[in-house]
Amino acid sequence: NAGVTQTPKFRVLKTGQSMTLLCAQDMNHEYMYWYRQDPGMGLRLIHYSVGEGTTAKGEVPDGYNVSRLKKQNFLLGLESAAPSQTSVYFCASSYVGTTYEQYFGPGTRLTVT
Amino acid sequence: GQSLEQPSEVTAVEGAIVQINCTYQTSGFYGLSWYQQHDGGAPTFLSYNALDGLEETGRFSSFLSRSDSYGYLLLQELQMKDSASYFCAVGLNAGKSTFGDGTTLTVKP
Repeated sequence: NAGVTQTPKFRVLKTGQSMTLLCAQDMNHEYMYWYRQDPGMGLRLIHYSVGEGTTAKGEVPDGYNVSRLKKQNFLLGLESAAPSQTSVYFCASSYVGTTYEQYFGPGTRLTVT
Repeated sequence: GQSLEQPSEVTAVEGAIVQINCTYQTSGFYGLSWYQQHDGGAPTFLSYNALDGLEETGRFSSFLSRSDSYGYLLLQELQMKDSASYFCAVGLNAGKSTFGDGTTLTVKP
């Protein structure tokens, strides 16, 4: 099993450009999450999903959109990137019965210039 | 809102025992999780406490007191590979979690 995978691993964007980060999990987990982590800080929840076709806002949703068209995939979109969105983005998933045991992907390091 | 407090840095020697504390203020509390993150890596799950008391998993133990809004992670027989950041996270409704800012543990020979 690959667990949680994320693509791409690294990306540099110019201000105003758009991009989509892809997260995939092969554990048949119902819940999926997108976090961002800034240097020296904890993880902040951007958006999350409790099942296929559903999404909800987390702590810091502004400037991001998400979609979960298939249970195994969770996409994070940046429509118009800003330097403040420079961060490391982690995707995670969890089983509904052990919701607070989250499995994380390797992360995407995004720089916006 | 939610807030979590944990020390920013802890240093200990190999073979010792270290305790990382976490206090929280939150509404809708479901439980307390702990994660380990090595430099440049992804967080990995260590433990989850939904009820008061001590949970032991090998060299790591985690404790929760809901009445005191307090928990801790106890690491025994420290090894160099335990040098990492440790995050406590409060479990909220709908499966959400709020993370603390992390404690950097440095293990010295």
